[in-house]
Amino acid sequence: GAGVSQTPSNKVTEKGKYVELRCDPISGHTALYWYRQSLGQGPEFLIYFQGTGAADDSGLPNDRFFAVRPEGSVSTLKIQRTERGDSAVYLCASSLTLAGPQYFGPGTRLLVL
Amino acid sequence: GESVGLHLPTLSVQEGDNSIINCAYSNSASDYFIWYKQESGKGPQFIIDIRSNMDKRQGQRVTVLLNKTVKHLSLQIAATQPGDSAVYFCAENANAGNMLTFGGGTRLMVKP
Repeated sequence: GAGVSQTPSNKVTEKGKYVELRCDPISGHTALYWYRQSLGQGPEFLIYFQGTGAADDSGLPNDRFFAVRPEGSVSTLKIQRTERGDSAVYLCASSLTLAGPQYFGPGTRLLVL
Repeated sequence: GESVGLHLPTLSVQEGDNSIINCAYSNSASDYFIWYKQESGKGPQFIIDIRSNMDKRQGQRVTVLLNKTVKHLSLQIAATQPGDSAVYFCAENANAGNMLTFGGGTRLMVKP
């Protein structure tokens, strides 16, 4: 079946602009996770959803970052007033249950100029 | 595409040999562990997982060993193939939350 999909695959924006990154999880997966990966490092947790609600957003770096999952399926990560330090690969993962393995999408490569 | 892990520890093996990738995890409360494979320009790909009530689990050509006493995890790949070349990450999940904490990664290079 289809895996986790993310759009866009690449995003180039200017400092100060607003961006939205979309994640479409595996059908039927109730848990959805966002991670950020900088060059040469492992992914770092940002936020996760169980259904529609954000169960843990402790990894969001500041209030410029926000994520929603209004219908319990697709999720959007929103970044306001982007900064050059936000440049990274943003990864989304989903799992069938909270106790199960997380399956990752291909990521969105964000470059802030 | 961009490369993952430009300055990661590297393990170089001959095609057909067995590979062992090691990982030291940090949280003694972690009860679930996953190994991921990441190729350049792609997201992490699930390989195998293990829970803390086990010390060994086998998959197709892969074995994960867990030593909770010294907080050590290893991934063994049998008969390594060129397609196994990638960066490998271990990840742990502590009981208190559902986020995964990733290790620093190891680059595996398979020489034909």
